[in-house]
Amino acid sequence: GAGVSQSPRYKVAKRGQDVALRCDPISGHVSLFWYQQALGQGPEFLTYFQNEAQLDKSGLPSDRFFAERPEGSVSTLKIQRTQQEDSAVYLCASSQGIGNEQYFGPGTRLTVT
Amino acid sequence: AQSVTQLDSHVSVSEGTPVLLRCNYSSSYSPSLFWYVQHPNKGLQLLLKYTSAATLVKGINGFEAEFKKSETSFHLTKPSAHMSDAAEYFCVVTTSGGSYIPTFGRGTSLIVHP
Repeated sequence: GAGVSQSPRYKVAKRGQDVALRCDPISGHVSLFWYQQALGQGPEFLTYFQNEAQLDKSGLPSDRFFAERPEGSVSTLKIQRTQQEDSAVYLCASSQGIGNEQYFGPGTRLTVT
Repeated sequence: AQSVTQLDSHVSVSEGTPVLLRCNYSSSYSPSLFWYVQHPNKGLQLLLKYTSAATLVKGINGFEAEFKKSETSFHLTKPSAHMSDAAEYFCVVTTSGGSYIPTFGRGTSLIVHP
C-alpha cells in the first residue's frame, strides 16, 4: 500500500511569509508525528497527534508554529512569519500507535530566504 | 529523561569489510531502541528495533544490533558492507514509562569505499 506522503517536497519562502506543509499518513494509522531536521542533525520532535487530538506540542519552537489534524487523517504544519532559522527538512511519520514502529515520509525541505 | 549518543559522526569502510556503528543511550525507564537508515532524498527506513525481547536483534539487509544493559549500548553491526549501505544512520530511544516521544541521535554517516 501507499506509504506516508508529504507535500510540497520543496518550498522556498521569503522571510515573513506563511507556509503550510501537508502530511498524508498511512491509512488507519492513529499516531502522527512531526519532526524538524536541521542540516547535519538528527530529527527533533515537534508535535504528536493521536487521531485528531494533539497530545503533545512541547517541541514546537515558537508560537509561529501550528499543527492540526482535524479529521484524524491528513495533517498540516503551518509556520507563520517564517524566519531564516526555520530553514530545515520537516518530516512526518505515522504509526499504528504510540511506541510502535514509525513510518516516515520523504520530508519537505523548507528554505527561507 | 532520555538521551542517545552516536559516538561517530562518520564511519568509513571498504566494501566487504565489517561495519560497526556505535550508540549509547540514557533512560530512566525501560527503553525501546531503534536504528533507522536515511538515504539521500529518501524517508527514514526502520532497520531494526529492540523492545525487551531478545537482546540480539536482527534487521533488514543483514544488519543486527545487540542490546547491552550493563553498557547502555545498542551498537549496529553488519559482517560485510555493500556499496548500497552508504547512508546516514540514526539510533533512536523511546521509553515505556515516559511519554514515548522518540529521541534521535545526531546520526552517523557510513561511507563505503570500493
